[in-house]
Amino acid sequence: AQRVTQPEKLLSVFKGAPVELKCNYSYSGSPELFWYVQYSRQRLQLLLRHISRESIKGFTADLNKGETSFHLKKPFAQEEDSAMYYCALSATMNFGNEKLTFGTGTRLTIIP
Amino acid sequence: DTGVSQDPRHKITKRGQNVTFRCDPISEHNRLYWYRQTLGQGPEFLTYFQNEAQLEKSRLLSDRFSAERPKGSFSTLEIQRTEQGDSAMYLCASSKRGKASTDTQYFGPGTRLTVL
Repeated sequence: AQRVTQPEKLLSVFKGAPVELKCNYSYSGSPELFWYVQYSRQRLQLLLRHISRESIKGFTADLNKGETSFHLKKPFAQEEDSAMYYCALSATMNFGNEKLTFGTGTRLTIIP
Repeated sequence: DTGVSQDPRHKITKRGQNVTFRCDPISEHNRLYWYRQTLGQGPEFLTYFQNEAQLEKSRLLSDRFSAERPKGSFSTLEIQRTEQGDSAMYLCASSKRGKASTDTQYFGPGTRLTVL
């Protein structure tokens, strides 16, 4: 079975400071990892996925298979980054079911 | 296309009543997922449809829960004889098989159920 752990429920960072949201996973196969974000009063949306190797809104995340981690980073926090962030894992099941296993989330607050 | 829609957005019911939620996925998305999210937790997988076929159900989905996607378009999730423990946000997501190894799931706004 797969599991995703986000050790920090709350994280406060000053504007302009670096941000790192931690995510660790356990899965015996080869997973795909995602970060989803939920801004205030908005729906859950994809921020980035490890396979794309993109930087979205200044955020990056590198999959470290040795440490089974997928930490989300941004060098300079902005006030609009305040949101709830969820790390998620997908393990393709039978019939193409790519259900997501989510962590408990980290609420990021950027202090002006 | 405005994305995945869910109806109703809020539902308050008394214990023992039946409730039904509806999800309309993005057009042409053949995959549809239901998740449940309780306070302080991330979404948890409930069930998955590929077109009209329900291909997997979580152990979280007791016999009181049933989901359908009769024509491979919208889906309904029914809870019979609701219990207070069913109070949660019910999320629907849809995706379409593409070139990526894993499709992007697009989420609806959710239906918040409160069982009194």
